[in-house]
Amino acid sequence: LAKTTQPISMDSYEGQEVNITCSHNNIATNDYITWYQQFPSQGPRFIIQGYKTKVTNEVASLFIPADRKSSTLSLPRVSLSDTAVYYCLVDPGGYQKVTFGTGTKLQVIP
Amino acid sequence: GAGVSQSPRYKVAKRGQDVALRCDPISGHVSLFWYQQALGQGPEFLTYFQNEAQLDKSGLPSDRFFAERPEGSVSTLKIQRTQQEDSAVYLCASSTLAGDNYEQYFGPGTRLTVT
Repeated sequence: LAKTTQPISMDSYEGQEVNITCSHNNIATNDYITWYQQFPSQGPRFIIQGYKTKVTNEVASLFIPADRKSSTLSLPRVSLSDTAVYYCLVDPGGYQKVTFGTGTKLQVIP
Repeated sequence: GAGVSQSPRYKVAKRGQDVALRCDPISGHVSLFWYQQALGQGPEFLTYFQNEAQLDKSGLPSDRFFAERPEGSVSTLKIQRTQQEDSAVYLCASSTLAGDNYEQYFGPGTRLTVT
């Protein structure tokens, strides 16, 4: 399973764009990159998934360079409710034994 | 429809007691996963079911841990002779194997405290 590395914590003011970068140097050809969000006392919640280039949904954007050795989750105009832990995963799909790591704790400041 | 549900939400057990944690996945979801999450850590994989078949139990920390999904829907994680190091949140997730969507849907977890 490919290992991921991401910052332990980040702070941001409300209304700013937040970019969280994750490195996954050993990503395999068939692996997808997936991000989850977790609030205290809740299970993780899927945010976005991509294979290459850029993916955008109503919540976030995911940027993946051509070599796929890293990815960046972009959260536009964060609010206090975006304070959570964000996990970057390399996901082989199908049967999905994935490794969550310790995640990035994002604190949004008013 | 309803999401993944888990019961109980909280469980306190004395060391040495047996516990059973229940997971109700989303109806029709083929895959079911159990994770253990220690305080301040990310979820750690325990075991995986595809329908009723337990295809991977490599993450179970000891033979005191046992999981089943006899009819391919509801799953139970059983921990025998609980130890203090078993204290954690136990998360269940389900997903479909359809297409390219690999999203896992998580339940709220069961917080187990062993005293």
